[in-house]
Amino acid sequence: SQKIEQNSEALNIQEGKTATLTCNYTNYSPAYLQWYRQDPGRGPVFLLLIRENEKEKRKERLKVTFDTTLKQSLFHITASQPADSATYLCALPDRGSQGNLIFGKGTKLSVKP
Amino acid sequence: KAGVTQTPRYLIKTRGQQVTLSCSPISGHRSVSWYQQTPGQGLQFLFEYFSETQRNKGNFPGRFSGRQFSNSRSEMNVSTLELGDSALYLCASSLMTDQETQYFGPGTRLLVL
Repeated sequence: SQKIEQNSEALNIQEGKTATLTCNYTNYSPAYLQWYRQDPGRGPVFLLLIRENEKEKRKERLKVTFDTTLKQSLFHITASQPADSATYLCALPDRGSQGNLIFGKGTKLSVKP
Repeated sequence: KAGVTQTPRYLIKTRGQQVTLSCSPISGHRSVSWYQQTPGQGLQFLFEYFSETQRNKGNFPGRFSGRQFSNSRSEMNVSTLELGDSALYLCASSLMTDQETQYFGPGTRLLVL
């Protein structure tokens, strides 16, 4: 079965630096991969989706890459701000069950001023 | 457009009791998915409903059940509560089934004593 590993449980960086979060999957390559942001006590909020035929996608200060050879996606936040502090979740569709997303356990990002 | 709403937001129950959680999707959305989130297991898929029919089901015991009404509102029920059922229960809606982006509600925090 598919498993997702988000390598760091927590990541602490200084304001203004680039945060890089990693998402690795173990089995089949998904048709797409998503990144969500979750703040304490709230539900996840969709950020970006990248398809298997896309190498890179950008949205404002966010950049996502998808390497199907490495079975990995990288999520970058450039010029990070304290307001970017949150838990970031990687998700991909379950091949055997359309409409079902498999989530990683998330990386808690803390941006210090 | 109002977002996904979930009621109640917080709930305390004792072992052996049952509980019903409610979810109102974004207006016009017909697919509702339910997830359980715990610190140890992360976000795990429970089930998905579309047009009042359960389309997909995760790997949870039969104590967990749900339904969807004709107005797309959904309820999930957990019977014979166990301590391990303490979690954040999240509902997510999307326009159609097999939709890539899901919009999450704030969740219901359930504590079983």
